[in-house]
Amino acid sequence: SSELTQDPAVSVALGQTVRITCQGDSLRSYYASWYQQKPGQAPVLVIYGKNNRPSGIPDRFSGSSSGNTASLTITGAQAEDEADYYCNSRDSNGNHLRVFGTGTKVTVL
Amino acid sequence: QVQLQESGPGLVKPSGTLSLTCDVSGGSISSSNWWNWVRQPPGKGLEWIGEIYHSGSTNYNPSLKSRVTISVDKSKNQFSLRLSSVTAADTAVYYCARVGGYDSSGWEIYYFDYWGRGTLVTVSS
Repeated sequence: SSELTQDPAVSVALGQTVRITCQGDSLRSYYASWYQQKPGQAPVLVIYGKNNRPSGIPDRFSGSSSGNTASLTITGAQAEDEADYYCNSRDSNGNHLRVFGTGTKVTVL
Repeated sequence: QVQLQESGPGLVKPSGTLSLTCDVSGGSISSSNWWNWVRQPPGKGLEWIGEIYHSGSTNYNPSLKSRVTISVDKSKNQFSLRLSSVTAADTAVYYCARVGGYDSSGWEIYYFDYWGRGTLVTVSS
């Protein structure tokens, strides 16, 4: 079972803001990274570290963290942002293993 | 630009061994990165399988550890996955991916920065 918990699904109106959360004990000690996955495609890195975006990722994507919760915010959601989103970090046992969150389906209305 | 490409049989019989290879191009497998395998059963989420460093050091998902072997071939710039005693539950798209990262003020910052396109492996007789 995953040690990083995400809401299964969220919806957002076109142009509005949506926040996706990822909860887990390991997030008190490790940053999360975030991945966007569209149907039939490999995941794509969108946020890593404190709040870093790889080249080519729009600045409407941002990340934050507090306590045991990491968040991915999409400010001004676009139709092309409709996808599954996964967080990733270390596990909570201190043995340097990696774990993905349960995933959140974002629907843009 | 680093590129990863998975290859291997798309169909494996139950109780058999799944074997996949990931070819790395545009970069060296001997770089300071961890090389990973991730899978995704149809309609489900991502599952981390394990990783290897060019030195041969490995880390595995505890739920799969007894059945998984990840190896590296530096001469071919590739790494491989073997998963034994497969069942239908192992049917999934298998991705290879690179983990890059660094330390910043005592915090680890690691991320999957390059992914293969994935290959579907079906376990069926």
